[in-house]
Amino acid sequence: DTGVSQNPRHKITKRGQNVTFRCDPISEHNRLYWYRQTLGQGPEFLTYFQNEAQLEKSRLLSDRFSAERPKGSFSTLEIQRTEQGDSAMYLCASSPYRDSHTQYFGPGTRLTVL
Amino acid sequence: SQQGEEDPQALSIQEGENATMNCSYKTSINNLQWYRQNSGRGLVHLILIRSNEREKHSGRLRVTLDTSKKSSSLLITASRAADTASYFCATDARDYGGSQGNLIFGKGTKLSVKP
Repeated sequence: DTGVSQNPRHKITKRGQNVTFRCDPISEHNRLYWYRQTLGQGPEFLTYFQNEAQLEKSRLLSDRFSAERPKGSFSTLEIQRTEQGDSAMYLCASSPYRDSHTQYFGPGTRLTVL
Repeated sequence: SQQGEEDPQALSIQEGENATMNCSYKTSINNLQWYRQNSGRGLVHLILIRSNEREKHSGRLRVTLDTSKKSSSLLITASRAADTASYFCATDARDYGGSQGNLIFGKGTKLSVKP
């Protein structure tokens, strides 16, 4: 399967702990997006990479959130000092440069903060 | 903020019936997309319709776009139990000032198809 993969699929943590999620996009897709989705809502944009450059961050991305894409391939999203309000599904998507309208989503990482 | 609003929020039908979902949006767009999300999973792209298109078909899917009313509809014909999912419309943030092409989703319609 050469789709977008995300790890872990589920993460349960205690409030105040740090967590890190990984996204492996479809190879040769130079655009990578992170979204957050809470129950009963559509996904909301968090941040975007073109190759290794982080080009846009949503106001939803507080100082406790940081994302990287060091070699322009996989990306990590870290949440420091987690809060219960961070509980959500974190979705990663990628798209090729030539067809940037269509995004290919991974299965997501479901985070539960106790 | 969310650009699109789907209607209805939930829809329950019998297998074999048609399902129609609507999406309204607020600003001018260049294209609109529909995505499907099965329970607890990522989203799958279904279809994209451009602003100069009025109707588009893909298998059992039919999408219409009315730019004058700022609305779109998704019709699934001869529904199957496997069509049970949430359906989202999405617009491109570049259409209203965004620079990087992230998608802006509505809240979705939850479709349940009973066998």
